[in-house]
Amino acid sequence: NAGVTQTPKFQVLKTGQSMTLQCAQDMNHEYMSWYRQDPGMGLRLIHYSVGAGITDQGEVPNGYNVSRSTTEDFPLRLLSAAPSQTSVYFCASRPATGGPYEQYFGPGTRLTVT
Amino acid sequence: DAKTTQPPSMDCAEGRAANLPCNHSTISGNEYVYWYRQIHSQGPQYIIHGLKNNETNEMASLIITEDRKSSTLILPHATLRDTAVYYCIVRAGHSGGYQKVTFGTGTKLQVIP
Repeated sequence: NAGVTQTPKFQVLKTGQSMTLQCAQDMNHEYMSWYRQDPGMGLRLIHYSVGAGITDQGEVPNGYNVSRSTTEDFPLRLLSAAPSQTSVYFCASRPATGGPYEQYFGPGTRLTVT
Repeated sequence: DAKTTQPPSMDCAEGRAANLPCNHSTISGNEYVYWYRQIHSQGPQYIIHGLKNNETNEMASLIITEDRKSSTLILPHATLRDTAVYYCIVRAGHSGGYQKVTFGTGTKLQVIP
């Protein structure tokens, strides 16, 4: 299993540009989520999904959209990038049943908005 | 989820045991204690979890006090590769519905040669 994969690893955007951060997992996990991590801070939840076709907002959803058309993929879209969105983004997945259980995190995407 | 309190940083000599404390005085009966770590620039990595009994795996040991209000993660023989931020998280173990997990700022462990 590849686990949780994220692309790209690094990205530089100009203010106002849009882009999609990709996340995929091959463990057939129902739950997937996106976090951002700013310097010196913990992880903050952006959006999450409990299954294909179902998404919900986390702590800091503004400026981001998500969709979940398949179990495997959970892309994060930045509609109009702002410097405040400069951060490291982590995708995570875990199974819905059989808990307790751990989350599996991807390697992260480092985004800079200028 | 119950709130956790961890020291912001700790040092440990290479080869010695690293003992990382966590207070979770408001933990409720169905909440588990989880530990993750994040090595610089990487995604968080699961280490261990427990409910009330002490637990051990190939990475670490978890000691939970009898009243469950605090716990200690033990890395028995710390290496330089264990330098990371360690997060203690408390959340319910049941599988019904999504539970938002709060990662605090954790403890930055520096293993010194």
